[in-house]
Amino acid sequence: IAGITQAPTSQILAAGRRMTLRCTQDMRHNAMYWYRQDLGLGLRLIHYSNTAGTTGKGEVPDGYSVSRANTDDFPLTLASAVPSQTSVYFCASSDGGYDTQYFGPGTRLTVL
Amino acid sequence: QKEVEQDPGPLSVPEGAIVSLNCTYSNSAFQYFMWYRQYSRKGPELLMYTYSSGNKEDGRFTAQVDKSSKYISLFIRDSQPSDSATYLCAMSALSGGSYIPTFGRGTSLIVHP
Repeated sequence: IAGITQAPTSQILAAGRRMTLRCTQDMRHNAMYWYRQDLGLGLRLIHYSNTAGTTGKGEVPDGYSVSRANTDDFPLTLASAVPSQTSVYFCASSDGGYDTQYFGPGTRLTVL
Repeated sequence: QKEVEQDPGPLSVPEGAIVSLNCTYSNSAFQYFMWYRQYSRKGPELLMYTYSSGNKEDGRFTAQVDKSSKYISLFIRDSQPSDSATYLCAMSALSGGSYIPTFGRGTSLIVHP
């Protein structure tokens, strides 16, 4: 593994289903982030974690939850998916400081 | 009004042209300024970052920050078709003990041969 990996690459999901998007980094970065990217709206922060064991809410946290049990993994869970959560989801990490971020390849999620 | 404004384009230029991409912002607390490049169906990748007002050059790319005007720019010299991508500006300020960047919506650039 080099950098950040995300899984799955894409997913079609029925509304009301539970879904966990996985993110793993091998750079030993302290901070990790989840964004969603929608046409015309750019990147919007969902949740973040400054270090293992801590999480914080971003701009659009409703309907999403995260956990940070260790440094490398930062899963994003949709407890009950809705069509408005159709988006491309990016995980990112940073070694802190001024927060230049390294992004994963993204997960394309469609909720029907 | 968003904290960071960026024209979505698309901006279409011929190969070899000088490209100017810009962002304006309203939060005077922003201290760090970054440019990311995002190819279609890929994640953003960091292109340049700068802390202070002034210019920073890296090859064909120059990042410019004018804090007094709350305006940042990215210049691309001798543009190539491979520069065709979406360019996102980002900027961050210390908040709650950490720097969380705020992104512009991105400008789509098309460099045609």
